[in-house]
Amino acid sequence: EIVLTQSPATLSASPGERATLSCRASQSVGSSLAWYQHKPGQAPRLLVYDASSRATGIPARFSGSGSGTDFTLTISTLEPEDSAFYYCQQRFKYYTFGQGTKLEI
Amino acid sequence: QVQLQESGPGLVEPSETLSLTCTVAGVSVTNDYWTWIRQPPGKGLEWMGYVSYSGSSNWDPSLKSRLTLSVDTSKNQVSLKFTSVTAADTAVYYCARLLGGGPFDHWGQGTLVTVSS
Repeated sequence: EIVLTQSPATLSASPGERATLSCRASQSVGSSLAWYQHKPGQAPRLLVYDASSRATGIPARFSGSGSGTDFTLTISTLEPEDSAFYYCQQRFKYYTFGQGTKLEI
Repeated sequence: QVQLQESGPGLVEPSETLSLTCTVAGVSVTNDYWTWIRQPPGKGLEWMGYVSYSGSSNWDPSLKSRLTLSVDTSKNQVSLKFTSVTAADTAVYYCARLLGGGPFDHWGQGTLVTVSS
């Protein structure tokens, strides 16, 4: 099983700041990595797929980068509504998710 | 737009079979792959398996013997049957569309299932 480790577990930041969320895979997943935003009680929302492609309708302030084992989701200018859990997910071998980063604005 | 809505019993007794339905709107279930993902309380997301109308399917190896996924084109629904449940299967269950074998691009809001007597 490919294990995804996200850091930090919790990130506190202020509106207007930049947030950097990390995801490390236990083995190479190429570019087969996606990021999701999840607010309690809501459907998770796809943000980025294939490591760096923004999903339809996602604001440009969300960007993904990385390949192999190390990936990053960057939110360039935080807004209050960005408070949520963020999960990375790989599709290289079956499908697994990271344990999540809680972003508090 | 594509919308998914899970439905099913909120409470299931141990050793029984959990049955859930995902009603899809905005697209035909004959297209794409459909998947189930769950999240136990306080834990992360766990992929369970996917199915397509054409018969393609795959499951998490640890769940394969207990899991049946199917597509009902007459109702535009996707269904899950999960046998011999235990308290460890208590979770919020989500259905999602698996876009071209890649990311999960549309999700339902999830339904909480508690396994308890």
